[in-house]
Amino acid sequence: GNSVTQMEGPVTLSEEAFLTINCTYTATGYPSLFWYVQYPGEGLQLLLKATKADDKGSNKGFEATYRKETTSFHLEKGSVQVSDSAVYFCALSSYSSASKIIFGSGTRLSIRP
Amino acid sequence: NAGVTQTPKFQVLKTGQSMTLQCAQDMNHEYMSWYRQDPGMGLRLIHYSVGAGITDQGEVPNGYNVSRSTTEDFPLRLLSAAPSQTSVYFCASSYSNARGSGNTIYFGEGSWLTVV
Repeated sequence: GNSVTQMEGPVTLSEEAFLTINCTYTATGYPSLFWYVQYPGEGLQLLLKATKADDKGSNKGFEATYRKETTSFHLEKGSVQVSDSAVYFCALSSYSSASKIIFGSGTRLSIRP
Repeated sequence: NAGVTQTPKFQVLKTGQSMTLQCAQDMNHEYMSWYRQDPGMGLRLIHYSVGAGITDQGEVPNGYNVSRSTTEDFPLRLLSAAPSQTSVYFCASSYSNARGSGNTIYFGEGSWLTVV
């Protein structure tokens, strides 16, 4: 079945550091890939997405590239801020999954001033 | 800009009590779902619906019932609450996969449930 694996947290970085959160997936067919972010006490909100191979999703300085050859969708940001502290979820959606959206277990990110 | 609205935001139940978590969306989305979020376990799908009158089980359906009588509403019922159901519950909605699997999922703000 479809699945998403993302790096375990927590991840703690200093402000202005470079961020990478790894995400790999297993899916039949051609899934769409997402990164969602959850700030403390809130629901999840879409950060970025990519719907086909080699697409790059970007938003708020974050980027992720859909790599079909490595089945990966790693999240990156060149210079993190304290306000980026949150939990990040990688997810996939596939026609074969009958409308089920599959989420990774989440990675907690903390940024030190 | 209501989006997905969940109520209540906080609830404490005694073991054995029943209750309903309400969820409504005003975006005319076909697909609605309920997740629970537990520490270290990410989001787990409880039940989902691809349209009015159609529901199906997700990964962890036991102890929960759903119905979808209208496009807008998707309530989650706890039949006999147990401490293992202490969790944060999220309702979500999106257009169906029939319109493409790249549809954005919109989440409610969550319902914090404690069963004592």
